[in-house]
Amino acid sequence: GAGVSQSPRYKVAKRGQDVALRCDPISGHVSLFWYQQALGQGPEFLTYFQNEAQLDKSGLPSDRFFAERPEGSVSTLKIQRTQQEDSAVYLCASSLVPSGGLYEQYFGPGTRLTVT
Amino acid sequence: QQQVKQSPQSLIVQKGGISIINCAYENTAFDYFPWYQQFPGKGPALLIAIRPDVSEKKEGRFTISFNKSAKQFSLHIMDSQPGDSATYFCAANGGTSGTYKYIFGTGTRLKVLA
Repeated sequence: GAGVSQSPRYKVAKRGQDVALRCDPISGHVSLFWYQQALGQGPEFLTYFQNEAQLDKSGLPSDRFFAERPEGSVSTLKIQRTQQEDSAVYLCASSLVPSGGLYEQYFGPGTRLTVT
Repeated sequence: QQQVKQSPQSLIVQKGGISIINCAYENTAFDYFPWYQQFPGKGPALLIAIRPDVSEKKEGRFTISFNKSAKQFSLHIMDSQPGDSATYFCAANGGTSGTYKYIFGTGTRLKVLA
């Protein structure tokens, strides 16, 4: 595809529901990142994949957050038992090269999650 | 150590004026400093980036000034246009945060008046 795509664009969940957010990176991009962007704030790192390997999940706020990229392309961020504090925009980014070299990350439009 | 502090929080500039946004960092191991532009409902898009081996980089109306000793860098938008109205984020990565993990500033909401 021409860019990083994410779906759904908007998600409303009742507190306690599970949600799954999808990211389709740019074709051929090795690295994939998830960020959380609270209202009026900058994106905050959640997790990083190099191909199918999750190399860093240090930013995941709790064990309710889980991410996977089983075939090294599409990724899913899953949030179990959603809480109101999970309300944010979840951004996915991809990069052509792994750590080192060019660092440019291309961001998708994000999924706005609202937990009621 | 991992923070990137950005100011101002918001900025209003007349059309044709110069917009200046500042960022400061603590981690001297950071070695890549991009600026991202974000329009409402869109993801951040890379605007311009700099490595610490140069003090200035210019691309069209956008210039990054980098002061390594002060651990500060700034974005200058010359001849600001209403279409530049957006939120701007500085970021940094490298060093102990890893060469892949961006640390973002809190953003500056720029409004350019027609």
